[in-house]
Amino acid sequence: DVKVTQSSRYLVKRTGEKVFLECVQDMDHENMFWYRQDPGLGLRLIYFSYDVKMKEKGDIPEGYSVSREKKERFSLILESASTNQTSMYLCASRHGGRNTGELFFGEGSRLTVL
Amino acid sequence: AQSVTQLGSHVSVSEGALVLLRCNYSSSVPPYLFWYVQYPNQGLQLLLKYTSAATLVKGINGFEAEFKKSETSFHLTKPSAHMSDAAEYFCAVSDLLTGGYQKVTFGIGTKLQVIP
Repeated sequence: DVKVTQSSRYLVKRTGEKVFLECVQDMDHENMFWYRQDPGLGLRLIYFSYDVKMKEKGDIPEGYSVSREKKERFSLILESASTNQTSMYLCASRHGGRNTGELFFGEGSRLTVL
Repeated sequence: AQSVTQLGSHVSVSEGALVLLRCNYSSSVPPYLFWYVQYPNQGLQLLLKYTSAATLVKGINGFEAEFKKSETSFHLTKPSAHMSDAAEYFCAVSDLLTGGYQKVTFGIGTKLQVIP
């Protein structure tokens, strides 16, 4: 089975702290994504990466950055956490190219910023 | 850019009743469409997808969806609801970007409650 693993299920951080959310997939997928999930807003794309060292901004990149140094790992970074970044963060991966393949999701990381 | 509208953020049905979750999309070209399900405290998993083959798509757990181009709709149905169907359901559309890559846009989700 495809497995997408997010390093932390629950985190509590303070305003201004730097936060790292890690995501690892074990299926050699080229594409990886970070979404944010909020009630009433659905899933919104923060950043995505089509291959190693590549990154593209999604719909809401402000306040976030990403790193993809290895194919299996995609990290989301909050340089200076703010209370409005309290949310559920979902990582997903998919085979690359002009495909219509499904996204495989991790179980999510629920971040609370105090 | 594509957009997805899910009508009804909360839907309640009785156990054994028909489940109908509505999804409309905006597109000027035939899209790729998906339904995902999210159980409490879990990530999303694929229920079914439409990729321009048959317009009636069957998925897991007895769900199916029909692609209607004239109505720009992709509603999800199940003839008889089970308690285990209680979850949040997301409709999604795939957008072909410059360079051939695809970006997936999600609706806001519909929470399905099944009443015993």
